[in-house]
Parts: sequence; C-alpha cells; structure tokens
Amino acid sequence: GQQLNQSPQSMFIQEGEDVSMNCTSSSIFNTWLWYKQDPGEGPVLLIALYKAGELTSNGRLTAQFGITRKDSFLNISASIPSDVGIYFCAGSYGQNFVFGPGTRLSVLP
Amino acid sequence: EPEVTQTPSHQVTQMGQEVILRCVPISNHLYFYWYRQILGQKVEFLVSFYNNEISEKSEIFDDQFSVERPDGSNFTLKIRSTKLEDSAMYFCASTIDRGRVYGYTFGSGTRLTVV
Repeated sequence: GQQLNQSPQSMFIQEGEDVSMNCTSSSIFNTWLWYKQDPGEGPVLLIALYKAGELTSNGRLTAQFGITRKDSFLNISASIPSDVGIYFCAGSYGQNFVFGPGTRLSVLP
Repeated sequence: EPEVTQTPSHQVTQMGQEVILRCVPISNHLYFYWYRQILGQKVEFLVSFYNNEISEKSEIFDDQFSVERPDGSNFTLKIRSTKLEDSAMYFCASTIDRGRVYGYTFGSGTRLTVV
C-alpha cells in the first residue's frame, strides 16, 4: 500500500528559529495536507495543496507540493512555544488519505 | 467555526465487551471517516462512509467493526468484542469534498482503553 515517510522524526529548536520538515512517498499524490496535533487532541488542518509545484502560506507556515508529486515540505518561520506538537503530512490520489508517521517539534524558550 | 464532535472523550472497557463510539460530523458534510491512532504512532485509516454505505475500509476494519449513521446526524463506530490491541485514540472526520480542496475536519477523538 501507499506509505509516507516524514523527516525528521523529531526536532528540538530554539524559539525564534525557522523549521523545515518534509514528507516523501513512493507513490504520486494529487493532494497533500499538513496537520498539527496537540497532545490529546485530533489533528487540525494547517495547509492543503492540490497542484504540483504549488506554494501556499498560512501565517508563519509555508508548504509546497513537490514537482514530482511524491513529496511535500512544510516550513515554519520564527517559531514560538505554541508551535510545539506533532506535524503530520497526509496524501491522497483521489481515494482516502494516508498519513505519515509525524514530526515531533519541541520549542525551547 | 463548525466542529466535529465526538463522545465520550475517554472510555474504559473490559476485554470482550462491545463499545460504541459516537460522532456528530459537520452538518453539510457528505463523507465520513474513522481513523485510529495507537499511542505514539501514526494516524491509520479505518473506514470511509458515503451515501449511507461503506465506500472503503482498511484491513484493520475486520468483522468486529461496524459503522452506522442511524439518524442523519450521528455517525457511530461499534467494536463488537474489544481486544487489548484495540486500545487507541479513535478519530472521526468529515469532509464536504473527499478532502481534495478543504481537507478533512477531525474531531478531538475518543481515547479507548481496553483492560
């Protein structure tokens, strides 16, 4: 079946630093979603991408749909303590979404 | 902002018992899903539901699982005879367009603990 990999698995950064994480797949997708999950909560949609090469921003977050349609990245600029959480990518090719294993982000004051 | 509501937030049950997890999707959404997340692991697809029938299910969704939309607003997941390995967070999600443009809206989850 379709599998997604996310890297890094976890990262510790200082408040104010920029963050970059990515998601890769062995299959092509036509939609990528990025979610953030706080402890004990359900995932919350951050950004949706549905065209190869697309670059979309949501505040301090920027995500891109890779040209090969097999990858996507998420950048967070000027991180703040509330950015702490697990970031999941999810991909779909017209069917249901497959989730990556997540990148756990910790922000140190 | 419309929300997907799940109840209960936490359920503890004995192995072998039946449990029903409840969800109220967003009212104008058409596609409904159950996902689960074993502690510390990724979110896994269980089943999708559209037009009052299952449209896709994963290999996790075996004969012990069933879903229902009994009254046009609730969407339930039933586990007939729970096993220890069913302990997980169960998330309901809904979408208006299969997630292609607007993504899925997830509920906050039900933490199921099987003892």
